[in-house]
Amino acid sequence: AQKVTQAQTEISVVEKEDVTLDCVYETRDTTYYLFWYKQPPSGELVFLIRRNSFDEQNEISGRYSWNFQKSTSSFNFTITASQVVDSAVYFCALPDTGNTGKLIFGQGTTLQVKP
Amino acid sequence: DGGITQSPKYLFRKEGQNVTLSCEQNLNHDAMYWYRQDPGQGLRLIYYSQIVNDFQKGDIAEGYSVSREKKESFPLTVTSAQKNPTAFYLCASSSPENDGYTFGSGTRLTVV
Repeated sequence: AQKVTQAQTEISVVEKEDVTLDCVYETRDTTYYLFWYKQPPSGELVFLIRRNSFDEQNEISGRYSWNFQKSTSSFNFTITASQVVDSAVYFCALPDTGNTGKLIFGQGTTLQVKP
Repeated sequence: DGGITQSPKYLFRKEGQNVTLSCEQNLNHDAMYWYRQDPGQGLRLIYYSQIVNDFQKGDIAEGYSVSREKKESFPLTVTSAQKNPTAFYLCASSSPENDGYTFGSGTRLTVV
């Protein structure tokens, strides 16, 4: 069955520190997508990235970067020089098997960035 | 601007009452979803609909009902059969061309 594990429940860092959020997944599919979402205190989930399993190149977007390692089934997310506005809950997600469009979410990691 | 609108933002329900949460999208997405989020937990799928007039149960459908009479609308009814309805409810939509889901801002339901 599809499964996403975010082992870090809560992380607290001081502003300007780098922080990595871990995501490990299980899937029977040979091709698949992986997602990261951010949930700020307002509650709405904000899409951050979609990665195709064919593409194992690291992706960088500003202070955000993603490290996809198919060999270890991991899709880790790093924030460089963290800011207070990065404080949120971050979710990693994987589509369910079949063509339902359902996403399987990890438990989420709460990131607190202190000034 | 296109997006998903959930209303109300906060909802209080007395025990034994049914309540309906609204979800409207103007993104022309075929698929819509309802998730429930409890404190410190991930998102659990309640119901989803891939096309108008059709919907399927998710992982925790008991005590909930939905309808999909229009493409833009996917209301969720929390019935009195739902034993622990206090939670944050998120609606989402997607299309095959979409980069993942688009989420609404959520409805926080509290039973008083």
